[in-house]
This record gives sequence, C-alpha cells and structure tokens, in this order.
Amino acid sequence: SQQGEEDPQALSIQEGENATMNCSYKTSINNLQWYRQNSGRGLVHLILIRSNEREKHSGRLRVTLDTSKKSSSLLITASRAADTASYFCATPTGTASKLTFGTGTRLQVTL
Amino acid sequence: DVKVTQSSRYLVKRTGEKVFLECVQDMDHENMFWYRQDPGLGLRLIYFSYDVKMKEKGDIPEGYSVSREKKERFSLILESASTNQTSMYLCASSLLRTGLGQETQYFGPGTRLLVL
Repeated sequence: SQQGEEDPQALSIQEGENATMNCSYKTSINNLQWYRQNSGRGLVHLILIRSNEREKHSGRLRVTLDTSKKSSSLLITASRAADTASYFCATPTGTASKLTFGTGTRLQVTL
Repeated sequence: DVKVTQSSRYLVKRTGEKVFLECVQDMDHENMFWYRQDPGLGLRLIYFSYDVKMKEKGDIPEGYSVSREKKERFSLILESASTNQTSMYLCASSLLRTGLGQETQYFGPGTRLLVL
C-alpha cells in the first residue's frame, strides 16, 4: 500500500531555478525521509525530518513537514544538471524498521 | 561508507527457471530488505529480515522466497520465474536502532531482471 504520494510526477526546470516537490501521506508518522535515485541506480538517502521539526536544511536542500496537513515538501535551490533524478519520500510503516516509499517525482534539470 | 552490493546488474532468465538474486552489505546491519520497482508503482517491499534466519513478508511476497543464513547476505529467490516478475530489484540494509522507521536505508545498485 502506498503511504506517500509525490506531486508532481514529473518536473522540468532550467539550471539555476528552484525545484519544489511535495509528498502527502495518510497516517500519523514520527518522521519522514527523502531519497534520490539516479536513472537505473539504487536510492540514496538525502534527509530525515522528525515530526517535531517543521523545517530542516542540508546544503541546497530544504525540507518542510506539516503534520496537520500530512504533507512534506522538498525544495532544491539553484538546481544543477546533476540534480536530474527521481526523488522519493518515505514514511515508517507499522512496526520494526520498514519504510513505505511514494511513487516519486522525476526531476529534469536542463542547461 | 556503507556498501551494499548485488550480484548482477542485468539478468535474463526464461519462464519457469529458478532465479537467485544475492545481496551483500558490509556494515554489520541487522535489517535487510528486498524491493521491486516498476514504473508508476514506486518501490514495493517483497521481504524484510531483521536478523539471521528471520524474515517477514512485505506487501508482495507471492512468488518469492528469501534466505538469510549470514548477517551480511540476503538472497531473494524466484522459485519459478514468470514474465510478470520482470522488474528492477533493489536490496537495502539499515541498522536496527529504535525500530521506529528512523533508520536510514542504504541501497544497492539494483538488478534489472528480464524474464522471457
């Protein structure tokens, strides 16, 4: 079952612009993670935000979490061609250490 | 750096064959996962293991089995491959900390399996 749904499904921007992608989820969570996947490769962890945090920064990444709306956003500032990838949000599932991943946003950054 | 390796990047098999996908991690992680990834469906969990010889079904375990005889190795087995198992298979591992889903998962490069 899908817990997170990303929006938009695809996004195309020019280098230097900001990219914003959103994630909505269904049940209460204690944290939310964002991952990145380059074409045909495995996923790489980007950032984790806890439920008591509203905003978190890491380099050019800014993540927000609104638990009242059950949504999160990932902002990539001053995008580069190398940011071209798919981005997934992931939320804890049930017990243990499992995560449920959304369907992802495909970001294309052109020169 | 955590390293998760998968035995093959690309694999072509015939319907009915038994297929083994191997995953090895080098960071002494307790948790290991197998996902499949299909366009439009995202990642779906097939099986999860939190310790040697322990396994738990994920969302789509039908047609698959797993084996974890050693902590660093987690194998996915397709008992009798079918064309609908053509997919990208991703292995991941994580440390067991709180069990609250706060652990970062580290992924292998993936195996693209084609079943003819």
